[in-house]
Amino acid sequence: QKEVEQDPGPLSVPEGAIVSLNCTYSNSAFQYFMWYRQYSRKGPELLMYTYSSGNKEDGRFTAQVDKSSKYISLFIRDSQPSDSATYLCAMRASSASKIIFGSGTRLSIRP
Amino acid sequence: NAGVTQTPKFQVLKTGQSMTLQCAQDMNHNSMYWYRQDPGMGLRLIYYSASEGTTDKGEVPNGYNVSRLNKREFSLRLESAAPSQTSVYFCASTAGKAANTEAFFGQGTRLTVV
Repeated sequence: QKEVEQDPGPLSVPEGAIVSLNCTYSNSAFQYFMWYRQYSRKGPELLMYTYSSGNKEDGRFTAQVDKSSKYISLFIRDSQPSDSATYLCAMRASSASKIIFGSGTRLSIRP
Repeated sequence: NAGVTQTPKFQVLKTGQSMTLQCAQDMNHNSMYWYRQDPGMGLRLIYYSASEGTTDKGEVPNGYNVSRLNKREFSLRLESAAPSQTSVYFCASTAGKAANTEAFFGQGTRLTVV
């Protein structure tokens, strides 16, 4: 079993829709939870970062962490064509430990 | 502001050839990583270095070696390339401190082994 599982997609939604991206994990030691966005032929860039359980909002993006269920989500409101990218969840147990990524979800927003 | 720089950007190797992928960061980060990315597989950790002088295996270390040359540089070596090592390779670095966990990535190296 992989430490981090991510819904593979691909996912295609119309502009303005609410998008939900999800990951589950098996390692209860994970404390830091991140979402990265990767455009085609580019390196990933950090989008959201959450420490432990709870919600975090940044503009149209909301990250949720439920440690009791070992489940994290990223919500995108009022989705835009510029949000079309691959989204990767990532986790680590401590600030100096290895970062484990999910397999990524390719998202396409239709104008 | 260079961030994380990888060289080369593209490379074609013949089976059995060797090569070294170079990575350097100018952010004074403690931790550095090498990942490979294949379609549908996300980023898989090859090796990482939590701090200068230490290296540890990740999820897929077979066929690779690494050297943390100093705090800035972390190289990845393929001793005898195989077609299964065709992939996009990313180097990343993090500060390694509790207040800042963001990983910064290089632009990637596209490697094809024929």
